[in-house]
Amino acid sequence: GESVGLHLPTLSVQEGDNSIINCAYSNSASDYFIWYKQEPGKGPQFIIDIRSNMDKRQGQRVTVLLNKTVKHLSLQIAATQPGDSAVYFCAELREEGAQKLVFGQGTRLTINP
Amino acid sequence: DTGVSQNPRHKITKRGQNVTFRCDPISEHNRLYWYRQTLGQGPEFLTYFQNEAQLEKSRLLSDRFSAERPKGSFSTLEIQRTEQGDSAMYLCASTPWRQGFTGTQYFGPGTRLTVL
Repeated sequence: GESVGLHLPTLSVQEGDNSIINCAYSNSASDYFIWYKQEPGKGPQFIIDIRSNMDKRQGQRVTVLLNKTVKHLSLQIAATQPGDSAVYFCAELREEGAQKLVFGQGTRLTINP
Repeated sequence: DTGVSQNPRHKITKRGQNVTFRCDPISEHNRLYWYRQTLGQGPEFLTYFQNEAQLEKSRLLSDRFSAERPKGSFSTLEIQRTEQGDSAMYLCASTPWRQGFTGTQYFGPGTRLTVL
């Protein structure tokens, strides 16, 4: 079936380094993708989004890359800080009907001092 | 605070009891979504409302679950005769939908349900 998934369940990086979190999707008709950050005991927090007519989008310290050829997207976090420690989810918004979000399992990012 | 709010934040109940959760979306957001998240997993869609109309329900939403949004503002999610398998985080999200609009959903902090 169609799904949104992540390559790695955990990622550990040194403070100040750059982080790259990957996500694969299977629905070639997917049109809109969102990265969320979730800290313990909190709801998912919007980080950045990208539409299928774009290859790259930048925010503050974050960049999302979309490769439609291989159905892959990534989240790059520059100069990681302790506050970046969280679980990161990619989510696909399927436009038909409910426009429900379909989430992957998440990647836990740990920042080492 | 103008974000999505949910109450209670935590609920512990005994199997077989009924529980009700409340979600207050961002003001003027006409779409409201409920998701369920179990440990180590991403959120899964349960149901959504456009204004007061409940337009879709997931197969995850058994007949023990009922959701309402009577005035198109806040919403409640009730679980009757709770089971241990209902233990999860219940998340609410809202978005200002309009025709031709595709945008993100903003989540509340969730209600953590533990069924003993």
